[in-house]
Amino acid sequence: GDSVTQMEGPVTLSEEAFLTINCTYTATGYPSLFWYVQYPGEGLQLLLKATKADDKGSNKGFEATYRKETTSFHLEKGSVQVSDSAVYFCALINSGYALNFGKGTSLLVTP
Amino acid sequence: SAVISQKPSRDICQRGTSLTIQCQVDSQVTMMFWYRQQPGQSLTLIATANQGSEATYESGFVIDKFPISRPNLTFSTLTVSNMSPEDSSIYLCSVEDGPNEKLFFGSGTQLSVL
Repeated sequence: GDSVTQMEGPVTLSEEAFLTINCTYTATGYPSLFWYVQYPGEGLQLLLKATKADDKGSNKGFEATYRKETTSFHLEKGSVQVSDSAVYFCALINSGYALNFGKGTSLLVTP
Repeated sequence: SAVISQKPSRDICQRGTSLTIQCQVDSQVTMMFWYRQQPGQSLTLIATANQGSEATYESGFVIDKFPISRPNLTFSTLTVSNMSPEDSSIYLCSVEDGPNEKLFFGSGTQLSVL
């Protein structure tokens, strides 16, 4: 079945550092890919998405490119802020409605 | 975008009791989904609820333990029955934004079972 694998955390970075959170997926066909973010004490929010190969999703300085050849959707940000501290989930939808989530990666950004 | 109201936001329950979680959406939606997020874990789909039909449960989840109602296109409930401490988790309601599109999530119900 479909699945999503994310790098394990926690990831700790200093403010203004470069961020990469790796995400790879297994799926047949052409899934849509998503990154969700969960800030402390809050619900899940969509961060960005890509619906076909080579699409780049972007939001709030975060980017991720849908790479079908490597089945990846890595999340990147050039300069993280303390306010980016959260748990990030990679997810996919494939020919259906329910998301398959990765296990989440906790990010802590220190001043 | 859909706005989802979920309640209660948190509860502490005794072993053996049941809790019903309510999910109200501000627009009509075909499918509603119930997820569980155990401490430090990812989200796991419990079931998919369509209006007018029985919910479809994922492997490892059964109707007797997690009965779901879906009386109309804007409302659903999930009951956690005969609770044990292993049921301590965050339960999330969500709705889709269209086929293969993003999901909107409620703020979740944090359940602690003593």
